[in-house]
Amino acid sequence: DAKTTQPTSMDCAEGRAANLPCNHSTISGNEYVYWYRQIHSQGPQYIIHGLKNNETNEMASLIITEDRKSSTLILPHATLRDTAVYYCIVRVADQGAQKLVFGQGTRLTINP
Amino acid sequence: KAGVTQTPRYLIKTRGQQVTLSCSPISGHRSVSWYQQTPGQGLQFLFEYFSETQRNKGNFPGRFSGRQFSNSRSEMNVSTLELGDSALYLCASSQKPNQPQHFGDGTRLSIL
Repeated sequence: DAKTTQPTSMDCAEGRAANLPCNHSTISGNEYVYWYRQIHSQGPQYIIHGLKNNETNEMASLIITEDRKSSTLILPHATLRDTAVYYCIVRVADQGAQKLVFGQGTRLTINP
Repeated sequence: KAGVTQTPRYLIKTRGQQVTLSCSPISGHRSVSWYQQTPGQGLQFLFEYFSETQRNKGNFPGRFSGRQFSNSRSEMNVSTLELGDSALYLCASSQKPNQPQHFGDGTRLSIL
């Protein structure tokens, strides 16, 4: 079973920041938070991951709370092409557990 | 750099047949994982290969099998196809098992 809880759907206006929350209250100290998104008819796309520090790359920022029980993915200037299902995944950071356990994700719709 | 390549993109089979799907990972990636995506069950982990060895296996019947070659390319096979095997089959690769996985766009298998 997925170890994360996400809202089923969200809307955001084009050009605004999209903030996608994720709860992972049972996360362990050696587990990373990963974010992927899936645009219709494509495979999931890796966005970002982090352990306890906030992370930023060219796609998004990841804010992890100090207790690590929740996180927020931020798309700073959402475009119509950011419409997708966004998955928050908790994954053990060792050589033995490669599999990703996907939940239902958040369906993000960017409106013009 | 080319992404993960899956062939074929679409496949139609009938019940009882068998099928082989192919995955070419990103150059330099040695870990390959397979997932099944259906509307009802979402994305589910099938198995993972690293250095030609299966390291993890999901909760699927023995009709689902796979292998990895010395060049890291991977194939999965499904024998005695059932209607419920209709799904999008996704392959993901990473440099090493604990690195972010990057997905191909999948093979859509339809069973008649």
